[in-house]
Amino acid sequence: DSGVTQTPKHLITATGQRVTLRCSPRSGDLSVYWYQQSLDQGLQFLIHYYNGEERAKGNILERFSAQQFPDLHSELNLSSLELGDSALYFCASSVLLGTGELFFGEGSRLTVL
Amino acid sequence: GESVGLHLPTLSVQEGDNSIINCAYSNSASDYFIWYKQESGKGPQFIIDIRSNMDKRQGQRVTVLLNKTVKHLSLQIAATQPGDSAVYFCAENNAGNMLTFGGGTRLMVKP
Repeated sequence: DSGVTQTPKHLITATGQRVTLRCSPRSGDLSVYWYQQSLDQGLQFLIHYYNGEERAKGNILERFSAQQFPDLHSELNLSSLELGDSALYFCASSVLLGTGELFFGEGSRLTVL
Repeated sequence: GESVGLHLPTLSVQEGDNSIINCAYSNSASDYFIWYKQESGKGPQFIIDIRSNMDKRQGQRVTVLLNKTVKHLSLQIAATQPGDSAVYFCAENNAGNMLTFGGGTRLMVKP
């Protein structure tokens, strides 16, 4: 158990809908990262928050947004969903900036029908 | 469990043998590299890291080798066990903690 909690574990929705994925980092970790894992794209970095502030952005679509709250949990909002958004979405946390040792949750499996 | 990629290169080894998983990177400016293991149905798990001022680093049953000249990274697993069966990813840590993951290699351990 990495200590990172993600909900929901599975989510099935329709095209055009909006969903919110939630992540609770390990106790004490200030950094939260979001990654997307699909069969054809592998693990893709989406966004990084540190202590409530956005620190880095990867290939995140404009339809996607994220935030980190004062209690350090984070949410990833996906809107106007398309079939191609079906993927595993991972949240990871770390205590230090500049470390490659991230602790990943078990992911949220999103299926868009 | 979840299938992580249908077209991953696969390495099949006998239990007890040593495994070598290779990774090529493209960014010559990358100065920090990490190996992750992902078991079916789970998130990636950190194994070992190495900075560019080193060419070798050892952990428990694992060794990472870095060859900056040819931009190549390898992960060696000694005495491979069934529990080592997983997908292995190398990653480069670019500026700002943005890990760029490679495509992954599936390791299958035959009993």
